[in-house]
Formats: sequence, C-alpha cells, structure tokens
Amino acid sequence: SQKIEQNSEALNIQEGKTATLTCNYTNYSPAYLQWYRQDPGRGPVFLLLIRENEKEKRKERLKVTFDTTLKQSLFHITASQPADSATYLCALGGLIYNQGGKLIFGQGTELSVKP
Amino acid sequence: ETGVTQSPTHLIKTRGQQVTLRCSSQSGHNTVSWYQQALGQGPQFIFQYYREEENGRGNFPPRFSGLQFPNYSSELNVNALELDDSALYLCASSHIPGSPYEQYFGPGTRLTVT
Repeated sequence: SQKIEQNSEALNIQEGKTATLTCNYTNYSPAYLQWYRQDPGRGPVFLLLIRENEKEKRKERLKVTFDTTLKQSLFHITASQPADSATYLCALGGLIYNQGGKLIFGQGTELSVKP
Repeated sequence: ETGVTQSPTHLIKTRGQQVTLRCSSQSGHNTVSWYQQALGQGPQFIFQYYREEENGRGNFPPRFSGLQFPNYSSELNVNALELDDSALYLCASSHIPGSPYEQYFGPGTRLTVT
C-alpha cells in the first residue's frame, strides 16, 4: 500500500544544534517533494521544493536532500533557534496525470528548540 | 502574509446539516485546492479547481462538492455532515495546476460537527 511517513515522535533539540527531520515514502513515484512549516492554528507555509532529478537544495539555514532510490527526503535546519519550533510537513507532488496539483502530505513532525 | 483568506474561521454544526466554506485566492492565482486536516494529521487533498472546473479529486465522497467563481474565489460545500467531518479545512492557491510551484495556504476554517 502507499504510505508517507515522517518521524512520529516530537523532536526536541537545543538551540544552535542542527535539526534533522525524515520523510520516507513507499509505492509512490513523485516528480517533486515539498517541505512546509505549520504553526498551531495556521495554514502550512511553503519552505523548499526539490525535484526528482535533484539531490540537494539549500535556502539560508535550510537544506533538503532527496534520494529516490531510498525513497527518502531529509530536511535539515542548521543553527536552530526557538523561533524554528513548529510542525514540519513533507508533501509529495506530480504523482499522477490529471490529478491536478494534488499533494500527498505526511503527518508532520513537531520540532521544539529549547534555548 | 500569503493573501489567501478563508471564512468563517470557526464553525459548529450538527450532524446531518450542510455547510459552505469560502476561500479567496491570492491575487494572480487561478487555481484553488481544498484540503482536510484532522487533528495531529497532515492535510488530505479533497479536490482542485482550475478556471472554474474541477481538476482532480481525492478520496472523498460526492457529498463534498465545490465551486470556483470567475474571480477565482472558491466554495467548499459539505452535505449530510458526519462527526468525522470535524477538522481544519484549508484552501490553497497556486499559479498553474500540476506544476511544482508552492501552494499558498489560507489560515483554515475549523469545523466542529456535534
């Protein structure tokens, strides 16, 4: 069956450390993968997109890797800050023709950065 | 601020009733997608509208229906509400359907069915 899984347990780290979040999927062949941030009571906010033919993408303190053989994406936040505390969602896209812009989301990983 | 607005912010309905949720897309976006997010879960795709036509649908029954208007705003209608319909309903707008562009989400409508 098709599945997309993120770290199910909340991630607690110390300020200044690197946070690494995992997104694994099975029985999907996405053309791209996106990462979003969601704060309580708010809609998700887009962070990064990586295509199937790209290995790594960076934006400021954020880095995403995409391994289509392992069917896994890793999301890193370097020099983490308490303001980075939020739930992070991965989403698969470009899955099926005529499915529009359907995104398949993972359940999210809650990150807490302690000062 | 993304520019996507939704109304109302909160809503309480009784099982069996009908509800209409509204969304105004970001300026310049002609595509609107609707998602349902249960507590502790990721958003689930309901359907997408592009130029007033449905352009893809997820695994939701026909009692979930939608509309898109010429100004690209959109409505989500849910008939015969069930307790499991209680969730955060998100709309997202984007430039072009099916392309790898980010989707801009609104703040959501929290629906509670009692």
